[in-house]
Amino acid sequence: ETGVTQSPTHLIKTRGQQVTLRCSSQSGHNTVSWYQQALGQGPQFIFQYYREEENGRGNFPPRFSGLQFPNYSSELNVNALELDDSALYLCASSFPAGNTIYFGEGSWLTVV
Amino acid sequence: SQQGEEDPQALSIQEGENATMNCSYKTSINNLQWYRQNSGRGLVHLILIRSNEREKHSGRLRVTLDTSKKSSSLLITASRAADTASYFCATVLLQGAQKLVFGQGTRLTINP
Repeated sequence: ETGVTQSPTHLIKTRGQQVTLRCSSQSGHNTVSWYQQALGQGPQFIFQYYREEENGRGNFPPRFSGLQFPNYSSELNVNALELDDSALYLCASSFPAGNTIYFGEGSWLTVV
Repeated sequence: SQQGEEDPQALSIQEGENATMNCSYKTSINNLQWYRQNSGRGLVHLILIRSNEREKHSGRLRVTLDTSKKSSSLLITASRAADTASYFCATVLLQGAQKLVFGQGTRLTINP
């Protein structure tokens, strides 16, 4: 048990639609990150939030956006879904600066 | 681009044998973290090793770090069928957001 919970676990969307994935971080962790993991690949960093502000972003287009709430929970929003967005989306939480980063079980997104 | 590369990409051994996985990376790091991932599931944190540490142990796991060679290794002793999974190393860079940069992983299969 990492204390990081994600919802939903699985979902199917149609190309062009929008999706929102949710994450509840481990108690007290004020840093939340999102990763995309395509089948057979390592996870790729999407962005990170610290105290409700984005403080780092990977090589993902602006249609990937996020939010962090005062209770440190977070959302990942993806607009105009493309087939290549099909992947496992992982949320991770931690304290900042060089600490263990804990992952949730992920949300499987299939775009058809 | 991936920071790290795991070697081998796949490893198959008999139960009870030791398994060694290697990881190389390209730029200076704050720390390196090893994760396990069972098929289709989230990442389970195994060990964090900081840049000023050379070796860490946790149960049957031993991790080494050689910053001069920019490499790390994960040794699993007395392997069990339940150790079958993909193993990833991930680095946290010295500067910028506390993001993990993953390699492609090593797929470990333990044969009973």
